[in-house]
Amino acid sequence: QQQVKQSPQSLIVQKGGISIINCAYENTAFDYFPWYQQFPGKGPALLIAIRPDVSEKKEGRFTISFNKSAKQFSLHIMDSQPGDSATYFCAAAYQTGANNLFFGTGTRLTVIP
Amino acid sequence: GAGVSQSPRYKVAKRGQDVALRCDPISGHVSLFWYQQALGQGPEFLTYFQNEAQLDKSGLPSDRFFAERPEGSVSTLKIQRTQQEDSAVYLCASRGRKMNTEAFFGQGTRLTVV
Repeated sequence: QQQVKQSPQSLIVQKGGISIINCAYENTAFDYFPWYQQFPGKGPALLIAIRPDVSEKKEGRFTISFNKSAKQFSLHIMDSQPGDSATYFCAAAYQTGANNLFFGTGTRLTVIP
Repeated sequence: GAGVSQSPRYKVAKRGQDVALRCDPISGHVSLFWYQQALGQGPEFLTYFQNEAQLDKSGLPSDRFFAERPEGSVSTLKIQRTQQEDSAVYLCASRGRKMNTEAFFGQGTRLTVV
């Protein structure tokens, strides 16, 4: 059973546009929600993370929006660049630093110049 | 090197063959994780070590999967009698001493069972 549902599966965005990736979860015990970026042939790298006590977190061009009541969170990439083209995974864990991350199925983002 | 190193990068195994995948974590990292990433899917947790102790192996899919970290640094994931469904990228990650620090992933080993 997929603990974290992610959409869309793929996304094509024009350079300078906004990329939006959505995730949803059911388990209210989750307390930590990271996003990972993965380039082909590389392992996932932590991009940005949020805990449910805040509704938004921004780091540079990357913003996580979190809706605790709807059990949904999303990644927004502002001013998308071709270098952002990668696969993005949302994840959830029972706590920060938990040993087991539950990943979504991934979104392949392509930013067209 | 400074990052998590995995070897081999690619492995082709005949069905029924045993394989061993190696992970060299970042020096001094206490925690080590193995994940399995099937094609087009997100990584799925396999097992976790703190130093040499395997504290969680709840994600290992069958008793054909075995992981060890005898000296608390290098880890080996062994798969016995490989099956086609074992074909995946196997990712290793390590984390420093503090619980809330980031885990760093290696590049993975792509296993193809034919």
